[in-house]
Amino acid sequence: AQKITQTQPGMFVQEKEAVTLDCTYDTSDQSYGLFWYKQPSSGEMIFLIYQGSYDEQNATEGRYSLNFQKARKSANLVISASQLGDSAMYFCAMREVDSWGKLQFGAGTQVVVTP
Amino acid sequence: NAGVTQTPKFRILKIGQSMTLQCTQDMNHNYMYWYRQDPGMGLKLIYYSVGAGITDKGEVPNGYNVSRSTTEDFPLRLELAAPSQTSVYFCASSYQNGAQYFGPGTRLTVL
Repeated sequence: AQKITQTQPGMFVQEKEAVTLDCTYDTSDQSYGLFWYKQPSSGEMIFLIYQGSYDEQNATEGRYSLNFQKARKSANLVISASQLGDSAMYFCAMREVDSWGKLQFGAGTQVVVTP
Repeated sequence: NAGVTQTPKFRILKIGQSMTLQCTQDMNHNYMYWYRQDPGMGLKLIYYSVGAGITDKGEVPNGYNVSRSTTEDFPLRLELAAPSQTSVYFCASSYQNGAQYFGPGTRLTVL
């Protein structure tokens, strides 16, 4: 069964606007971690942000923030003040407890930032 | 600090050939992983290792083998290449509860 669901295959956003990328997950574990990665057209996978299931505050890293709603099992990524360089594929991933650090990835959301 | 390095960057194989994808990390991470990414898809785990001498299968291990003789190196072996193994291969490493850091990937085509 799919554990990470990203329902938006693609999005357009204007420069300087904020964009929210949806991610829902499925787990019965109480302890887990949620990650977002960026994959630009050059192909590398870049770690953006991490949220632990017991973290009470939403994670933030510069222009990236993670809107974590535990009861709804959602971990949406918010990119504020979009830049042209934010155009990329974005993947949500989850690590469950006792999984030896293994990540399960969603299918990704393609973001295109327009001038 | 090079992070995670992978060689080669690109490779074309004929059906039935074999090859080894190299992966090295210099962050002293104990955990290492191999993923494949098919066009327009997310990443699928092939094999992983939690330390030197310890490896285990991931979601899609068929047609591949790994070894981990040192902390730094985690090569992936393809035996009898098939067109279905055409993909981009990523190696990653992490501490046990840390984020995974990825290499630049190897683009493999099997014809």
